Amino acid sequence: AQSVTQPDIHITVSEGASLELRCNYSYGATPYLFWYVQSPGQGLQLLLKYFSGDTLVQGIKGFEAEFKRSQSSFNLRKPSVHWSDAAEYFCAVGSSVSYGGSQGNLIFGKGTKLSVKP
Amino acid sequence: SQTIHQWPATLVQPVGSPLSLECTVEGTSNPNLYWYRQAAGRGLQLLFYSVGIGQISSEVPQNLSASRPQDRQFILSSKKLLLSDSGFYLCAWSQGAISGNTIYFGEGSWLTVV
Repeated sequence: AQSVTQPDIHITVSEGASLELRCNYSYGATPYLFWYVQSPGQGLQLLLKYFSGDTLVQGIKGFEAEFKRSQSSFNLRKPSVHWSDAAEYFCAVGSSVSYGGSQGNLIFGKGTKLSVKP
Repeated sequence: SQTIHQWPATLVQPVGSPLSLECTVEGTSNPNLYWYRQAAGRGLQLLFYSVGIGQISSEVPQNLSASRPQDRQFILSSKKLLLSDSGFYLCAWSQGAISGNTIYFGEGSWLTVV
C-alpha cells in the first residue's frame, strides 16, 4: 500500500539555523514527490516538486529537497530559517501511472509543524 | 493564470443543520476537482474527487456528498451535520487525469458544528 511518513510531528529551530524535514514514502510505481506548506488557517501552498531528472530540486522561499531512491526519501532543507517559515509542512507522493482509483490524487503525510525561536 | 476560490471561509452550524461549501476554479477547463478534510493532527483526508461534470467519486463513506453542476464548480453538502464533521475543508484542483499532476489548493473553510 502506498504511504508517506513524516517521522517528526513537531520541530523547533532557532532563526538562522539550518533545517531538514524528513519524508519517507512507500510507492510501487515511479513516484512524483511534493512538498507543501500551510500557514495557520490557510490552504496549502506548493513549495517544490520532483518528477524526474536532477534529484536535487529547488523550490520557492529558499527551500530545496533531495530525492534519494535508495532510501525512499525526499527530505526538505533550508540553510537558514526565517521566523516567517513557521508553519506546517506536508510531504506528498503521486504516481507516474494513471490508475483507476483517485486519478491525479496525492497521498499526504501527516505533516511536520515547524516552530522558529527568535 | 488559474485561481481557486472557496466559500464561506468560516462557518458555525448546529448539529442536524444542512451544509453547503462551494468552490470554483478559474483559468482552466476540465480540471480534476477534490474535497479534502483536515482534522487536527490527522493530516489531509480525501473526501471526494471529480474528473468531470456529474462524475463524483467518494473515498470515505459518511454523511457528506459532493456535486459538480458545472465544469469548474464543486460543491460539498450535507443534509444533517454531525459534531464529527467539524474541521478544515479544502477544495483543490489539478489538470488532467494523469496521476502526479500538481494539486493546487483553495484557502480552506473552517466548519465548526456545535
